[in-house]
Amino acid sequence: DAGVTQSPTHLIKTRGQQVTLRCSPKSGHDTVSWYQQALGQGPQFIFQYYEEEERQRGNFPDRFSGHQFPNYSSELNVNALLLGDSALYLCASSSDRGKLFFGSGTQLSVL
Amino acid sequence: AQKVTQAQTEISVVEKEDVTLDCVYETRDTTYYLFWYKQPPSGELVFLIRRNSFDEQNEISGRYSWNFQKSTSSFNFTITASQVVDSAVYFCALSEAGAGNNRKLIWGLGTSLAVNP
Repeated sequence: DAGVTQSPTHLIKTRGQQVTLRCSPKSGHDTVSWYQQALGQGPQFIFQYYEEEERQRGNFPDRFSGHQFPNYSSELNVNALLLGDSALYLCASSSDRGKLFFGSGTQLSVL
Repeated sequence: AQKVTQAQTEISVVEKEDVTLDCVYETRDTTYYLFWYKQPPSGELVFLIRRNSFDEQNEISGRYSWNFQKSTSSFNFTITASQVVDSAVYFCALSEAGAGNNRKLIWGLGTSLAVNP
């Protein structure tokens, strides 16, 4: 049983560019959440998707957007990248209240 | 507002020592969940435990134990007879317990544990 998978593992972009990160949830999970983790910090909640809709959003600008597909996989899009967007982006899936399973993340570097 | 404080930034112990990681939380909710996650160098966050705010029983799982004290808003984590493989960053987190699939977690800054041989 595959866990949460994320792609790509690493990504290097320049300021102003756009990026798309992808996540496949654990089998049987219908809810996907995205977190941003800066170096030496705890994860910060970006948003959560359930039934292809954004259910809750953290304190992130509109440059951060997402999508969930009918197969429950999800994408995180970031437009107009800033240096401060450099971080580990973590995807988590769940089907039970509160018990999140995380992927290994996508390390995004913005130069 | 909800907040999680992990006052210990880094801890270094020698193998076989016991170590306790502290977690203090703030919330106005009467119903909530508390979590501990482990993040090894690979980056993946590994779920360790979830505790409902109504369940104050301590829990033991192998070498791991958790002490939940609602009176002091603390949820401390103890590793007994630590091993080198326990070296990781450990995060304490808090979530609301509202209706639906609300799983937004508020995280502490983490405690980096180094277990030396």
